Amino acid sequence: GAGVSQSPSNKVTEKGKDVELRCDPISGHTALYWYRQRLGQGLEFLIYFQGNSAPDKSGLPSDRFSAERTGESVSTLTIQRTQQEDSAVYLCATSAGGPLEQYFGPGTRLTVT
Amino acid sequence: GENVEQHPSTLSVQEGDSAVIKCTYSDSASNYFPWYKQELGKRPQLIIDIRSNVGEKKDQRIAVTLNKTAKHFSLHITETQPEDSAVYFCAAHNDYKLSFGAGTTVTVRA
Repeated sequence: GAGVSQSPSNKVTEKGKDVELRCDPISGHTALYWYRQRLGQGLEFLIYFQGNSAPDKSGLPSDRFSAERTGESVSTLTIQRTQQEDSAVYLCATSAGGPLEQYFGPGTRLTVT
Repeated sequence: GENVEQHPSTLSVQEGDSAVIKCTYSDSASNYFPWYKQELGKRPQLIIDIRSNVGEKKDQRIAVTLNKTAKHFSLHITETQPEDSAVYFCAAHNDYKLSFGAGTTVTVRA
């Protein structure tokens, strides 16, 4: 079937606006992760969902960031009152859970002007 | 939490030579160590992985070694080709989360 998909692929927004990023996981993948990758940098963990368990939000950089996922379906990452330092590629990855390969989506490139 | 360090940050090799990237991890409970390759503007993709019950794994020109006692693991690419040019990330899996190294930019000179 299809891999992990993300939308939009690119988003340009003005400082102070809210944005919502979407991730469609591989069917059957119970684990879903959001990462942030600044230009030329590594992968920064943001949040993790596993089935219906409480998410691990320990990587969210501020309370302007939030994410939701219902069951094993789509996830949305919301950034409120965007700042220029939020400019980055936001990557979603899913896996079947446990110590298994994570499959990455193509990412959403967010630019805050 | 887990802390993964990766060296070097950049690596330039002549085509045909070998490339070695090294990573260390802090949590002895980590049990799965994947390596991802990210080409410019593309998503990270798994190229090889190793589990804590194995010391070495090889797949064609790519090999990974793991030393659990010393808590370090390495990626070896032999007979490098221009298409090997990319950023490589190591990672360590602990509990449910992958902790990534900062990445190594590999450039293969023709």
